[in-house]
Amino acid sequence: DVKVTQSSRYLVKRTGEKVFLECVQDMDHENMFWYRQDPGLGLRLIYFSYDVKMKEKGDIPEGYSVSREKKERFSLILESASTNQTSMYLCASSLRTGGNNSPLHFGNGTRLTVT
Amino acid sequence: SQQGEEDPQALSIQEGENATMNCSYKTSINNLQWYRQNSGRGLVHLILIRSNEREKHSGRLRVTLDTSKKSSSLLITASRAADTASYFCATGETSGSRLTFGEGTQLTVNP
Repeated sequence: DVKVTQSSRYLVKRTGEKVFLECVQDMDHENMFWYRQDPGLGLRLIYFSYDVKMKEKGDIPEGYSVSREKKERFSLILESASTNQTSMYLCASSLRTGGNNSPLHFGNGTRLTVT
Repeated sequence: SQQGEEDPQALSIQEGENATMNCSYKTSINNLQWYRQNSGRGLVHLILIRSNEREKHSGRLRVTLDTSKKSSSLLITASRAADTASYFCATGETSGSRLTFGEGTQLTVNP
């Protein structure tokens, strides 16, 4: 089974801090994604990556950046955390073959609170 | 931008009953997928239906797709308390390689 591991389940940070959310997958998937999930808004795509050192903006990239130095690891960075970035963050991966016909495999999420 | 919209937002049924959730979308798609999310956890893929398919089954799950109406339904038969979760549809658009999720239906199955 594919395993997508997010480094923290819960995280509390202060406004203005730089925050790193780490995600690792163990099935050699090319594609990796970061979503945030908020009540009433569903899942919204922040950034995604189809290959090492490659990244593309999703629907809500403002205030975030990403890093993909290795195929198995995709990091989400909040350069200066703000209270409106309090949310559940979900990482996912999928095979590149088949494009968006490949199912996503999700981690268990990181619930980030910015105070 | 949101693509899929699930209906209803919340559904409460008794164990043994069937649960039907609907999803509508706006643009042309390659496929439509359904996911399940238990409280506080990540999403788990349930089933994928391609745009040239009309119906698909997996165990107690039945998914239909009507591309002329831009809608899909997920039927869970003989529901169990363990089916209690949020269910999301996600669409893979014909242009691009990513999925767009709806807001989900919260299903509660009462024992």
